[in-house]
Amino acid sequence: GIQVEQSPPDLILQEGANSTLRCNFSDSVNNLQWFHQNPWGQLINLFYIPSGTKQNGRLSATTVATERYSLLYISSSQTTDSGVYFCAVGDTGTASKLTFGTGTRLQVTL
Amino acid sequence: DTAVSQTPKYLVTQMGNDKSIKCEQNLGHDTMYWYKQDSKKFLKIMFSYNNKEFIINETVPNRFSPKSPDKAHLNLHINSLELGDSAVYFCASSQGGLAGGQETQYFGPGTRLLVL
Repeated sequence: GIQVEQSPPDLILQEGANSTLRCNFSDSVNNLQWFHQNPWGQLINLFYIPSGTKQNGRLSATTVATERYSLLYISSSQTTDSGVYFCAVGDTGTASKLTFGTGTRLQVTL
Repeated sequence: DTAVSQTPKYLVTQMGNDKSIKCEQNLGHDTMYWYKQDSKKFLKIMFSYNNKEFIINETVPNRFSPKSPDKAHLNLHINSLELGDSAVYFCASSQGGLAGGQETQYFGPGTRLLVL
């Protein structure tokens, strides 16, 4: 099956700093989503982005499908950004199945 | 309004018991899913149903049985609970599901299951 790797595994930032999270995947995809799991465990969908670039406030994401990676940018980080960020992909062969990466754990400090 | 809801939020039970987790979505979506998140935060799909039809089973033990009374509900029944079943179980839904999964999936709040 498709492999999904995320880096870095852990990240500590001071409030106000910017960061880039990376997701590499091993095969062609027709679905890629970024999620934020907050400290209370809720999984929040950030972007549906199988290709191209999207922005939502301080967050933006870019997927380069031909090179099999996606990037999530967080600018001017806030303590509420803390949590685990997951990349999940769906390959072209299997309907609806999302394979999740192992996540990037982000801690934003004052 | 809650889009995808699960009950209960927490479930503590003894080994060998049978338990159920309920999931409901009010988004009008055709496809619903169950995922399991283990103690290391790894998320893995268990089942997928499209309009009450079963479409994905990811080699889950047959002690786990999903049941879909209608397309807005996908309940998870677990028989003969084992210690290793302790995890967080997430329900999710998406609009379509058959066209290679080209839709956003929306997740419920999770059910934290602890088997003693």
